[in-house]
Amino acid sequence: SQQGEEDPQALSIQEGENATMNCSYKTSINNLQWYRQNSGRGLVHLILIRSNEREKHSGRLRVTLDTSKKSSSLLITASRAADTASYFCATAPRDNFNKFYFGSGTKLNVKP
Amino acid sequence: DVKVTQSSRYLVKRTGEKVFLECVQDMDHENMFWYRQDPGLGLRLIYFSYDVKMKEKGDIPEGYSVSREKKERFSLILESASTNQTSMYLCASSLQGAQPQHFGDGTRLSIL
Repeated sequence: SQQGEEDPQALSIQEGENATMNCSYKTSINNLQWYRQNSGRGLVHLILIRSNEREKHSGRLRVTLDTSKKSSSLLITASRAADTASYFCATAPRDNFNKFYFGSGTKLNVKP
Repeated sequence: DVKVTQSSRYLVKRTGEKVFLECVQDMDHENMFWYRQDPGLGLRLIYFSYDVKMKEKGDIPEGYSVSREKKERFSLILESASTNQTSMYLCASSLQGAQPQHFGDGTRLSIL
């Protein structure tokens, strides 16, 4: 399978703490994206990082990409209860970037 | 904002029935996708379409077909529904290539 894998599968933290999720993938990529899914809803795009970028920020989100290790991490700083959701990484392969591969997700629980 | 609308949030059908899941997007996107989401397995790509009347198989196309007669509409067809097709089905669209995908809220399909 070319799917990415997130680690950990589940994460429980207190409000105000930082949350770090990791993603590993197998193929050469055009870009890597992170998505969020609230319970029972569709996915929402959070951030995209291109294969020639190493780090990207958006608000409280920080994404890193290490193409030599085929891995990425998503850091959410100063977490809030509203950040409780599942987070997925998705890779767009270099040889067929119409076709995305999603990981199985990290379930984040932020306790008030 | 892009809106992706799936025709039903919940659907119950019987084994052997032909089932149609409809998806409409309102932003003139080139690409449309159908995924199924099962616990622990993440999102798996069933089919995608990169243009009207054009389609490409994803990772799990068996038992499914698709139709894209108009740019804004992408239909998923279960030819003869079986209980192992009980799942959450998610439709998505993207402008082109490896751009971010916009998701509908999903259809939770139960096959009895």
